[in-house]
Amino acid sequence: GESVGLHLPTLSVQEGDNSIINCAYSNSASDYFIWYKQESGKGPQFIIDIRSNMDKRQGQRVTVLLNKTVKHLSLQIAATQPGDSAVYFCAAGGYQKVTFGIGTKLQVIP
Amino acid sequence: EAQVTQNPRYLITVTGKKLTVTCSQNMNHEYMSWYRQDPGLGLRQIYYSMNVEVTDKGDVPEGYKVSRKEKRNFPLILESPSPNQTSLYFCASSLLGQGYEQYFGPGTRLTVT
Repeated sequence: GESVGLHLPTLSVQEGDNSIINCAYSNSASDYFIWYKQESGKGPQFIIDIRSNMDKRQGQRVTVLLNKTVKHLSLQIAATQPGDSAVYFCAAGGYQKVTFGIGTKLQVIP
Repeated sequence: EAQVTQNPRYLITVTGKKLTVTCSQNMNHEYMSWYRQDPGLGLRQIYYSMNVEVTDKGDVPEGYKVSRKEKRNFPLILESPSPNQTSLYFCASSLLGQGYEQYFGPGTRLTVT
């Protein structure tokens, strides 16, 4: 089955700097890769997704990069703000099932 | 307001006492799913449903049941709860064919003693 892992459990970033959160996955057959943000006491919130046939996708202040060769996914957050402090999950899946990673806690230092 | 609601938000119960956690969405989503979240293990899928009367097992279905009699509701049933089912539970929904933009409920914290 799919296993999805993150490289670092906690990431501390200075406010205004860019953040990069990394993720590795195991199942080459995954169709989609997704990033979610979870603030304390809340359910996960969708940030951005990318199809397996893409290498890069950009959203508002976020960019997701997919490297299928090494099965690596990253989320880049530009000009990190205090409101970005949360746990970030990557997830991978096909049409029906989605497998989530453990999560990386992003701490923004004012 | 588009949302996924779960009830109860907090529940403390004893081993073996049947319980149901309700989940409802008002977005007319076909897909609904239940997850449990445990420290160090992330979110793990319990069951999911592609539409009314269509349900399937996720990665950790043992000890759980679900039903999908109406499109908006997807209750999670624990027939005989055990302490290892103490966890934070999330319900989620999404449109089919719209990628994986799942909308999550606020969570239900369950403690089984």
